[in-house]
Amino acid sequence: KNEVEQSPQNLTAQEGEFITINCSYSVGISALHWLQQHPGGGIVSLFMLSSGKKKHGRLIATINIQEKHSSLHITASHPRDSAVYICAVRSGAQKLVFGQGTRLTINP
Amino acid sequence: NAGVTQTPKFQVLKTGQSMTLQCAQDMNHNSMYWYRQDPGMGLRLIYYSASEGTTDKGEVPNGYNVSRLNKREFSLRLESAAPSQTSVYFCASMGSGGAGEQFFGPGTRLTVL
Repeated sequence: KNEVEQSPQNLTAQEGEFITINCSYSVGISALHWLQQHPGGGIVSLFMLSSGKKKHGRLIATINIQEKHSSLHITASHPRDSAVYICAVRSGAQKLVFGQGTRLTINP
Repeated sequence: NAGVTQTPKFQVLKTGQSMTLQCAQDMNHNSMYWYRQDPGMGLRLIYYSASEGTTDKGEVPNGYNVSRLNKREFSLRLESAAPSQTSVYFCASMGSGGAGEQFFGPGTRLTVL
């Protein structure tokens, strides 16, 4: 079993829908990262959080430390949100452990 | 501020050839990383350097060597490339204290024939 599990692996939705991507982890962590990767593109950090909730534009990330679970929400989704979203956790040393990623496709 | 830069962007090698992937960051970060990304596997850590002068193995170090040339630069060397090393390679850096964001380079797409 991977230390970081994401669900779903693939998600297709219509423009405007509310999107939720989930991340569960099995180790104690000091921080959790959400990353975005566009097709053929580089990797961009969206959020880093260790508790509670963060919001940036239409993106919201939450984390529940007790349940070892985080969610990434996208409100009013748009085709430009189509990308792979990656959850990663830091547990101790300065290294990240990555989930497999969730491929999101938003159709117009 | 260029962030994290990598060269080359694309490379094709024959089995047994060697090459060095270059990475540099201009954010004065202590920690630097090399990852590989394969379809269905997610990002996997090859080597990392927590500070200038130190390097440590990650999850998949076999077949690779690294050099932390100075605080800015962290190179990855393939001494004798194998088809199993066909992948996309990303360099990343992170600020001190272990609580910062990771910043990624644009990636190098390597094909080994």
